[in-house]
Amino acid sequence: DAKTTQPTSMDCAEGRAANLPCNHSTISGNEYVYWYRQIHSQGPQYIIHGLKNNETNEMASLIITEDRKSSTLILPHATLRDTAVYYCIAVISNFGNEKLTFGTGTRLTIIP
Amino acid sequence: EPEVTQTPSHQVTQMGQEVILRCVPISNHLYFYWYRQILGQKVEFLVSFYNNEISEKSEIFDDQFSVERPDGSNFTLKIRSTKLEDSAMYFCASSVRRNTEAFFGQGTRLTVV
Repeated sequence: DAKTTQPTSMDCAEGRAANLPCNHSTISGNEYVYWYRQIHSQGPQYIIHGLKNNETNEMASLIITEDRKSSTLILPHATLRDTAVYYCIAVISNFGNEKLTFGTGTRLTIIP
Repeated sequence: EPEVTQTPSHQVTQMGQEVILRCVPISNHLYFYWYRQILGQKVEFLVSFYNNEISEKSEIFDDQFSVERPDGSNFTLKIRSTKLEDSAMYFCASSVRRNTEAFFGQGTRLTVV
C-alpha cells in the first residue's frame, strides 16, 4: 500500500469548511484513497473513498488530483462534533488484501 | 442504523489467562476484521476473515491469537495466554465486500495485569 502523508494537526472555525490534505505520491493505479476518522478512542468511522473521480456523500467531499498524487477531504460546515483524528489511507484492491493501514493522521480541532 | 457490537466493553484479565473477545458484525456483511490500538498509538491491523477462513494476518497475529465464526452471527478473537503487552483497545469491523467501507465497533478495552 502506498504511504500517505498528512499534517499532524489542524484547526478550523466552527461553521467553516475544513480542508484536510493528504499526499500519496507513490499511489498505484489500483489503489483507492479512503478516509476514516476516530473520535476520542472510539472505533474508527468511515467517511468516504475514491479511486480517480471526486466523490461526495452526506458527510464530506473528496477531491483527488488528476495525477492522483494527492487528495483533499472537505467537511463543508464543520461542527464541534467533527473534532477527531482523520486518517487518509491508500488501499490496494487485490483479493486477500483488504486491510486498512492507519498512520498517525491529522488531529482536527474545531474551534467555537 | 445497523452497527457492529462488541462485548465486553472492558475486560481485565491476569497475565497468562485466555480471553475471548466477542463481536456481532452487521448481518449481511461478508468480511470481518480485528484491529487493536495500544493506548496513544496507531490503530493496527490484526486479521481479516472471509468465507470462514483467514484471508490475511499481520505479524502481530501469532500463534497466541485465533479467530472464529462459531455461528452465523458471532465473530470472536481469542488470545490463548495473555501478556502485559496485549493490553489495548480491540476493534472488530465488518464490510459487505472488498473495497467498501468497513464499519467498526466501539471496541473492547483489554487490560492485562
